[in-house]
Amino acid sequence: GAGVSQSPSNKVTEKGKDVELRCDPISGHTALYWYRQSLGQGLEFLIYFQGNSAPDKSGLPSDRFSAERTGGSVSTLTIQRTQQEDSAVYLCASSLSGEEQYFGPGTRLTVT
Amino acid sequence: ILNVEQSPQSLHVQEGDSTNFTCSFPSSNFYALHWYRWETAKSPEALFVMTLNGDEKKKGRISATLNTKEGYSYLYIKGSQPEDSATYLCASTSGGNQFYFGTGTSLTVIP
Repeated sequence: GAGVSQSPSNKVTEKGKDVELRCDPISGHTALYWYRQSLGQGLEFLIYFQGNSAPDKSGLPSDRFSAERTGGSVSTLTIQRTQQEDSAVYLCASSLSGEEQYFGPGTRLTVT
Repeated sequence: ILNVEQSPQSLHVQEGDSTNFTCSFPSSNFYALHWYRWETAKSPEALFVMTLNGDEKKKGRISATLNTKEGYSYLYIKGSQPEDSATYLCASTSGGNQFYFGTGTSLTVIP
C-alpha cells in the first residue's frame, strides 16, 4: 500500500521567502508528526496532529512556522520569511495514535 | 523535554563483525523505547518498540534489549553486512504524543 509521501523532495529558496511543505499520511492514520533534522542534530519535534484535537505546537521554533492539517489527512508546513538556519531535512510521519511511526522520505530545504 | 543520547556517534566495522550501540534515556515517566533504521536517501524505518524492563526483541541479525530502571537500550547487530550501513535512531516516549529522538549512531560496514 501507499506509504507517507512528501513534496517537494528538495527545495532551494532565497532568504526571506515563504515556503510550503506538504505531507500525505497513510490513509486512516489519525496521528501526524512533523520533525526536522538540521546538520549534525537529532530529529527535532515540531508539531503533532491527532484526529480533530488541537495540535501540539510546542516544538515549533518560532512564529514563522505554522502547520495545518485539512480534513484530517494532508498536512502543510509553512515557513514564512525563511532564514538560513531553517535549512534542514523536514520529515513527516503518521501513525495510529501513538503507535509505531511511518516516515515519509523528507523534504530537504536549503535557504540561500 | 526528554534528553535521549546515543553512542557512539559513528562506527565503522568490517563485514562479518558483530557490533552494538547504546541509547540512554530518562527512566522516570518512561512509556516506550523505539528503534529506527535510517538509510541514506530513504525514510526512517521502525525496527523495534519495547515497553517492559528486560524486553528483548529480535529481527534477523538485529536484536535489542531494554533496561527501564537504569534508562538504557542496546542494539546489537550480529555478523554485520554492508546493507546494514545506516543511521540507527532511538526515541523515547513518556506516554504523551511526543517522540524524543537521539542524534543517532551512523554505522558503516566495510566490505
